[in-house]
Amino acid sequence: EDKVVQSPLSLVVHEGDTVTLNCSYEVTNFRSLLWYKQEKKAPTFLFMLTSSGIEKKSGRLSSILDKKELSSILNITATQTGDSAIYLCAEIYNQGGKLIFGQGTELSVKP
Amino acid sequence: SQTIHQWPATLVQPVGSPLSLECTVEGTSNPNLYWYRQAAGRGLQLLFYSVGIGQISSEVPQNLSASRPQDRQFILSSKKLLLSDSGFYLCASSRGPNQPQHFGDGTRLSIL
Repeated sequence: EDKVVQSPLSLVVHEGDTVTLNCSYEVTNFRSLLWYKQEKKAPTFLFMLTSSGIEKKSGRLSSILDKKELSSILNITATQTGDSAIYLCAEIYNQGGKLIFGQGTELSVKP
Repeated sequence: SQTIHQWPATLVQPVGSPLSLECTVEGTSNPNLYWYRQAAGRGLQLLFYSVGIGQISSEVPQNLSASRPQDRQFILSSKKLLLSDSGFYLCASSRGPNQPQHFGDGTRLSIL
């Protein structure tokens, strides 16, 4: 079964810093890669990446997929305390649309 | 846009008791539906998924079962809960197999 690995597992930064979160995946049945932000309850959808090299952007967040390196990064610029959360990366890996999740990166932004 | 309703938000049950968690979806028809369990606030494990009424695929052997009696209703059940069934249970819905999944707010289940 495919595997998704995220790094770092946790990260502490100060407001205003820029952070880069990493996600690597295995390719056997890859279809797309998704990023989610999880605060106290449900993961909320951020980005879906299917094509290599095309950056997706939403405000201070952006993400890109590198199919050659089997990886993706999520960038957050000018971090705010409200960005504190667990960021989850997941691979859609077969026809049923099943997701395999990484362990998550716990981001803490200090004032 | 899709809205996923899950209840209850928290549940405390004794070992050996039955379980029924319900998930309903608004804003889409014939969704793919999923049940996940999340332990210790980290990676989600897929338990069941369904591509249509009455169609259930189980991902891991366990003490739980799922049913889909209506197009936008997904139920997670157990006849006798174990201590190891404790966790955060999330229902998700997508419009198709290569579409983003959207999650309900989850049920935090504690077994005593």
